[in-house]
Amino acid sequence: DTAVSQTPKYLVTQMGNDKSIKCEQNLGHDTMYWYKQDSKKFLKIMFSYNNKELIINETVPNRFSPKSPDKAHLNLHINSLELGDSAVYFCASSPDRETEQYFGPGTRLTVT
Amino acid sequence: QKEVEQNSGPLSVPEGAIASLNCTYSDRGSQSFFWYRQYSGKSPELIMSIYSNGDKEDGRFTAQLNKASQYVSLLIRDSQPSDSATYLCAVFALSNFGNEKLTFGTGTRLTIIP
Repeated sequence: DTAVSQTPKYLVTQMGNDKSIKCEQNLGHDTMYWYKQDSKKFLKIMFSYNNKELIINETVPNRFSPKSPDKAHLNLHINSLELGDSAVYFCASSPDRETEQYFGPGTRLTVT
Repeated sequence: QKEVEQNSGPLSVPEGAIASLNCTYSDRGSQSFFWYRQYSGKSPELIMSIYSNGDKEDGRFTAQLNKASQYVSLLIRDSQPSDSATYLCAVFALSNFGNEKLTFGTGTRLTIIP
């Protein structure tokens, strides 16, 4: 199936740990994104890469580090996890920078 | 002022009626507008995009855009229980990197009553 996929789907971890979330798209899109959806369901962009180049970096703690090894993959590494990092993290992709975006299934991160 | 504003609802509509969802945005330069549907526990799903003033129809869905009033709406005709979801309005606005970012409203929760 052509899609945006993320792993893992669920991630439960303790405060202070470091974790990574992986995203892959096989839609042939040039642009990929990370979004955070908090407990109030507000969806906010964190980062965007276009052809492996960082083009959007919103006000996000530098404990969060994205990495795009190629234009089909975008990973998110989080250091020193805090309780407030608990949320659903969505990866998305789009054909180009200002076009419609397609979302992955999400990773529900719970920090205890 | 929030960049994209929606009535959070919940909005309850009888089955078979028209559901009307509204959204206003603050960036007068915005050119691209989207409606996403999100079922509980699922990811946002694109249902409509609109770029020009006026109406755009796709099946039971009609998006309406009025750039002068900075207003975009979504009409769902012949509402079905399967339409019960949260509807997110999304607009491109300038990011702090100087690029456009997709900015979402807080969503309107729609419930279709059988």
